[in-house]
Amino acid sequence: EIVLTQSPATLSLSPGERATLSCRASQTISNYLAWYQQKPGQAPRLLIYDASNRATGIPARFSGSGSGTDFTLTISSPEPEDFAVYYCQQRSDWPLTFGQGTRLEIK
Amino acid sequence: EVQLVESGGGLVQPGGSLRLSCAASGFTFRSFWMSWVREAPGKGLEWVASIKPDDSEIKYVDSVRGRFTISRDNAKNSLYLQMNSLRADDTAVYYCAKVGINTVVTRGGPFDIWGQGTKVTVSS
Repeated sequence: EIVLTQSPATLSLSPGERATLSCRASQTISNYLAWYQQKPGQAPRLLIYDASNRATGIPARFSGSGSGTDFTLTISSPEPEDFAVYYCQQRSDWPLTFGQGTRLEIK
Repeated sequence: EVQLVESGGGLVQPGGSLRLSCAASGFTFRSFWMSWVREAPGKGLEWVASIKPDDSEIKYVDSVRGRFTISRDNAKNSLYLQMNSLRADDTAVYYCAKVGINTVVTRGGPFDIWGQGTKVTVSS
């Protein structure tokens, strides 16, 4: 099973302060990584697929990078509505797995 | 509008059974892999099962294999999850999710469309 480890567990920032979230895979997954945003009481929303491609309707302040085992989600200037939990997910191999999540909170 | 609507959740005793349904609309359901993903209270997301468009390939997470059965009816644009021998650690919100990127068909992800979720509580 491919384990995805996200860091940090919690990131405390002020609105407008650049956010950098990390996801590390236990083995190489090429670029088969997606990022999701989840707010309390809501379903997850796809942000980034295949490591660096923004999903439909996702603002340009969200960007993804990386390949192999190390991946990054960057929010260039977070808006108040961006404070949420973020998950990475790999589709390189079964079972599909998610990271444990990073909570982005307002400082 | 592309939409997934789950139903069938509820309270069930340990060892009991429940069948979840997911009604799809706004896209060509028969063309896409579909999946179930769950979120236990206070925990993260966990992939549960996936099914190929023609149901010739089905995958499960180890913790549910032999107890849960994923199925689909392409004529009814519907996805199902039959859950038997339920345990307390199956308590979660269960989401139905479309696999793909808009009209592009993919296999294990990403999950580009999600339902609102249906809550399953296993307790005596």
